[in-house]
Amino acid sequence: EVQLLESGGGLVQPGGSLRLSCAASGFTFSNYAMSWVRQAPGKGLEWVSIISGHSGVNTFYADSVKGRFTISRDNSKNTLYLQMNSLRVEDTAVYYCARGSPIITYYFDYWGQATLVTVSS
Amino acid sequence: EIVLTQSPGTLSLSPGERATLSCRASQSVSSTYLAWYQQKPGQAPRLLIYGASSRATGIPDRFSGSGSGTDFTLTISRLEPEDFAVYYCQQFGSSPRVYTFGQGTKLEIK
Repeated sequence: EVQLLESGGGLVQPGGSLRLSCAASGFTFSNYAMSWVRQAPGKGLEWVSIISGHSGVNTFYADSVKGRFTISRDNSKNTLYLQMNSLRVEDTAVYYCARGSPIITYYFDYWGQATLVTVSS
Repeated sequence: EIVLTQSPGTLSLSPGERATLSCRASQSVSSTYLAWYQQKPGQAPRLLIYGASSRATGIPDRFSGSGSGTDFTLTISRLEPEDFAVYYCQQFGSSPRVYTFGQGTKLEIK
């Protein structure tokens, strides 16, 4: 059974940093691209970032986070990360870890239960 | 960048009725690149449809997707109580690489 478990969320002041983690199990983690998707309170879904499978050499970001967030992976630990710097109030959201569809990620086939990030003074 | 517009914003129907949800793209989208998700309160989204019309694993056949170009539709043939939720469409853009969601349609019990 595919499982994705996010952690690392919390309350942080504007301008601060936070690192999210997503522990994966139930599939060969290294074979899949992995992504972060967020949802602000009461709002819709917003894609944040994606990292390619295997070496993770390819990474892509939404314009809203480019230059502030960094996605990475550790295949030996089956874990996905999101380093978030220079956080803004508008980054407040639940952050979902999602597995990319096989071969080329056109969609996200499994999602974690999310971790909440609150940016507030 | 392609914008997805879902309609209606809220759809009020009764169990047993047929639901038709629309997703319109600002530019033509390959059917391969269009997916639908269901999200219930306090839960993660669940993949329903990919490639515009293929049901994901374990999705009941009352859910179907159709469409091409700029107009896509999610149809729920006979609503069950557990189908009342928010539905999102999503498209993949290759250049630049982006994943765009519609704003969602809330399907509520009438």
